[in-house]
Amino acid sequence: EAGVAQSPRYKIIEKRQSVAFWCNPISGHATLYWYQQILGQGPKLLIQFQNNGVVDDSQLPKDRFSAERLKGVDSTLKIQPAKLEDSAVYLCASSSRKNEQFFGPGTRLTVL
Amino acid sequence: DAKTTQPPSMDCAEGRAANLPCNHSTISGNEYVYWYRQIHSQGPQYIIHGLKNNETNEMASLIITEDRKSSTLILPHATLRDTAVYYCIVRPLGSSNTGKLIFGQGTTLQVKP
Repeated sequence: EAGVAQSPRYKIIEKRQSVAFWCNPISGHATLYWYQQILGQGPKLLIQFQNNGVVDDSQLPKDRFSAERLKGVDSTLKIQPAKLEDSAVYLCASSSRKNEQFFGPGTRLTVL
Repeated sequence: DAKTTQPPSMDCAEGRAANLPCNHSTISGNEYVYWYRQIHSQGPQYIIHGLKNNETNEMASLIITEDRKSSTLILPHATLRDTAVYYCIVRPLGSSNTGKLIFGQGTTLQVKP
């Protein structure tokens, strides 16, 4: 069974630029999550989708972050404009009805 | 905020059992205890979860105290590949099956040869 795929694996941008991350969840998983992990901390949930609807985006900085999950499969997370404090690893995870979350390898973002 | 407390770091000799403690004194009756680990430069990986009974799978054992206020993850024969950050998480399981994970700082386990 293929795991959660994410791209790119690494991204370096300058502040005020925009960036987008892509996630392909495990086939058949209805729930998709985006987490932000700052160095030395545990992951923090940014947004959670159930199929193509948003379940929880309470921690998403909506003035600069946006996410979508068209057709209830792939998802894109965008930051525009990026700030220095957005430097982190962005993790995508998916789950089925069994509740266990499967994580992708993450995208490491560096904002200069 | 995370509802669990874990020691920041632990060491374990290769081949010995690693016992990772977790305090969750405010756990509610409908909340499960989950353990995930994160090996360097990888995403977190599910290990095991339980409600009140002890659980065992191919990776580890989970021992939950009778009052459910604490638990211990046991890796029976630690290897160098078990070096990782281990997260103890409490989360509810509802009919929607969409409970989010709230990660704390975790315990960094260093397995030494």
